[in-house]
Amino acid sequence: DVKVTQSSRYLVKRTGEKVFLECVQDMDHENMFWYRQDPGLGLRLIYFSYDVKMKEKGDIPEGYSVSREKKERFSLILESASTNQTSMYLCASSLLPPNTGELFFGEGSRLTVL
Amino acid sequence: AQTVTQSQPEMSVQEAETVTLSCTYDTSENNYYLFWYKQPPSRQMILVIRQEAYKQQNATENRFSVNFQKAAKSFSLKISDSQLGDTAMYFCAFMKPNSGGGADGLTFGKGTHLIIQP
Repeated sequence: DVKVTQSSRYLVKRTGEKVFLECVQDMDHENMFWYRQDPGLGLRLIYFSYDVKMKEKGDIPEGYSVSREKKERFSLILESASTNQTSMYLCASSLLPPNTGELFFGEGSRLTVL
Repeated sequence: AQTVTQSQPEMSVQEAETVTLSCTYDTSENNYYLFWYKQPPSRQMILVIRQEAYKQQNATENRFSVNFQKAAKSFSLKISDSQLGDTAMYFCAFMKPNSGGGADGLTFGKGTHLIIQP
């Protein structure tokens, strides 16, 4: 089974802190994604990557950056956390089409910024 | 840009009933994929069912089936013989493969909270 592991289920940080959210997948998937999930807004794409050292902005990249130094690991970085970044963050991975295109999700990291 | 609309924020049905969740989307593309994902309370999101736009036949997975109407840009999910374990958030999602053979991620709807009552 594909496993996507997010390093922290719950984090509490203070405004202005630098925050790292780590994600590791064990199925050699090319694509990796970071989404943000908020009630009533669904999932919104922050950044994605389809190869090592490659990154593409999603719909809401402002205030975030990412790093993909190894194929299995995709990190989301909040350079200076703000209260409006309090949210659930979901990491996902997938093979390239024309495979199923199915996304495999981690359990999520719930971040609270005080 | 693609948009996905789920017009039912919450639905509640009795166990064993059939329930249909609606989803509409907007795109000018001809080749794309549609998905329904399920997110149980405090658990990770999993794929329920998948549909390729070029296939006219509606996808089916056990108790789950879709009604895909390409011209109407509609993609509803039907759950038959609903069970307590079906209680979850359900998200409709759209994906367009990019020209490089990759994928620019999925575009999700805002979700429908489905509650199955005993």
